[in-house]
Amino acid sequence: QKEVEQNSGPLSVPEGAIASLNCTYSDRVSQSFFWYRQYSGKSPELIMSIYSNGDKEDGRFTAQLNKASQYVSLLIRDSQPSDSATYLCAVGGYNFNKFYFGSGTKLNVKP
Amino acid sequence: DTAVSQTPKYLVTQMGNDKSIKCEQNLGHDTMYWYKQDSKKFLKIMFSYNNKELIINETVPNRFSPKSPDKAHLNLHINSLELGDSAVYFCASSHGTPEASRTQYFGPGTRLTVL
Repeated sequence: QKEVEQNSGPLSVPEGAIASLNCTYSDRVSQSFFWYRQYSGKSPELIMSIYSNGDKEDGRFTAQLNKASQYVSLLIRDSQPSDSATYLCAVGGYNFNKFYFGSGTKLNVKP
Repeated sequence: DTAVSQTPKYLVTQMGNDKSIKCEQNLGHDTMYWYKQDSKKFLKIMFSYNNKELIINETVPNRFSPKSPDKAHLNLHINSLELGDSAVYFCASSHGTPEASRTQYFGPGTRLTVL
């Protein structure tokens, strides 16, 4: 079992719709959770970080964390073509001596 | 100014050669990382240094040797390059503590092609 699992996609949504990206992790003591966006040929850039159960909103982005279910998700409201990219889920351990990325979900937002 | 920089951006070399990639960050972070991203876009951590000390050393061939001369620099030397080493290598940096500051900032990547 991989430490962090994501559906590779592609996930296709029409412009203006809500895109929902999901991630599960295996290490129950994980403490920090991140969503990164990576455009083709570019480096990952941070979208959201979340550390406690519940929702965290930032503009059109909402991260949701459920530690009991070992599940973290990212919602993108009013999706735009410029949101088309690969979204990487990352999970850090308590001492940050372990840090794992998922393989990413490719999102296509169709005009 | 670029926060995390890497050189070179592209590296094409023959099998068996030795090469180095350099990374510098000007964010004042105390932790730096090397990642390898393969053709399937899977991003895997290789090494992490905190205050010039190695704290993460994942299962990586010992042909790969990181060196951190100071907190702002983390270089990666690769001996006897193999075809399977072809990938994009990303350097990143973050604060070590507190946890809320551990956001990692990535460099632009170095695309290594071994022929």
